[in-house]
Amino acid sequence: GAVVSQHPSWVICKSGTSVKIECRSLDFQATTMFWYRQFPKQSLMLMATSNEGSKATYEQGVEKDKFLINHASLTLSTLTVTSAHPEDSSFYICSASWGGGGGEQYFGPGTRLTVT
Amino acid sequence: DQQVKQNSPSLSVQEGRISILNCDYTNSMFDYFLWYKKYPAEGPTFLISISSIKDKNEDGRFTVFLNKSAKHLSLHIVPSQPGDSAVYFCAASRNSGNTPLVFGKGTRLSVIA
Repeated sequence: GAVVSQHPSWVICKSGTSVKIECRSLDFQATTMFWYRQFPKQSLMLMATSNEGSKATYEQGVEKDKFLINHASLTLSTLTVTSAHPEDSSFYICSASWGGGGGEQYFGPGTRLTVT
Repeated sequence: DQQVKQNSPSLSVQEGRISILNCDYTNSMFDYFLWYKKYPAEGPTFLISISSIKDKNEDGRFTVFLNKSAKHLSLHIVPSQPGDSAVYFCAASRNSGNTPLVFGKGTRLSVIA
């Protein structure tokens, strides 16, 4: 149980284009989904928290107009990197929580984004 | 200010021996702690967790110990196996599934056969 998928697993795009990453909870309803970013040899940095049906809460320093997050259903959240630049190249990971006590979050396999 | 600290970036252990990974935290509001294992280019995999009302939780070869007064927790893996080689992240939360996890920087464990 508690499987989270991400699509695509890797993507290469040209500078200036937009890329959408999907995060799905496959066997549970995720009231909350989180988006993280990981740079090489660094920890996971929280970008934003999204609750189903409401606007995402962004961490300080994360541009909400650049990283668009939509959590339209209890099983799907999307992250769109708009007007991507090479510095946006990173490993993006989502996690999902069913909202129960305990704090467990279940992570997707991640998406490697390379902007050329 | 880093609220969750893993001061050892790497650890090497011989197969069959015990691996001990340490984690310190500064925020006394944390009341739930988790350990995740991560391979390169993959998402973290949940390993084991502990609530602040306990001081020990065991699951097979993995045991997590919590010392609230010292704001310190540790993950023990015994016996260590080569397949345990990965990066281990300590994380903390406020005991709510809707609260973001705060991660340490991770410790790379290498189990040598």
